[in-house]
Amino acid sequence: EAEVAQSPRYKITEKSQAVAFWCDPISGHATLYWYRQILGQGPELLVQFQDESVVDDSQLPKDRFSAERLKGVDSTLKIQPAELGDSAMYLCASSPPPPNTGELFFGEGSRLTVL
Amino acid sequence: GENVEQHPSTLSVQEGDSAVIKCTYSDSASNYFPWYKQELGKRPQLIIDIRSNVGEKKDQRIAVTLNKTAKHFSLHITETQPEDSAVYFCAASTGGTSYGKLTFGQGTILTVHP
Repeated sequence: EAEVAQSPRYKITEKSQAVAFWCDPISGHATLYWYRQILGQGPELLVQFQDESVVDDSQLPKDRFSAERLKGVDSTLKIQPAELGDSAMYLCASSPPPPNTGELFFGEGSRLTVL
Repeated sequence: GENVEQHPSTLSVQEGDSAVIKCTYSDSASNYFPWYKQELGKRPQLIIDIRSNVGEKKDQRIAVTLNKTAKHFSLHITETQPEDSAVYFCAASTGGTSYGKLTFGQGTILTVHP
């Protein structure tokens, strides 16, 4: 069964350092999402891509976060510089093209700890 | 923007009992309401969803009800089993091209005791 792949699974960094997360969606899924899940809370949408274009990044803290999906397939989420409050699980999800059921397929996530 | 409130935050039941989790939403334009189950250390997975043109949907032991007038929807799990223990999240979106732009509730930790 195809799955969304993410790496690294775990990342520990010191504040002010740069971190990057990678996501490879299910083949054929044109829509890709990055969500952030703080421990004990529900996921929050950071950015949505349709192919290589950003559809919605209104919740992305653009002063320190950036996201790209250059060839419309895999995607990278970067944080520079990392802050203590960025400690969270970063979840990537993808969804199939229309007619889709609405289901999001999540990766296993990248857990970030900022010291 | 949309705001989704979920209750209770924790729920403990005996195996075989029913469990009910409730959510309210604020945006009357929302018309897609999925429920995701997240086991410890694992990815969220869709277990059931409902669209605004139906009031109830059932899939074996799981059912979801929607009251658009009151802006609330609920997850019902019957005959609970220990493997139902997980965190459950409700969510809402305006559908269409925005199906995946979900606003999630805070989650409910369900524990089913054997």
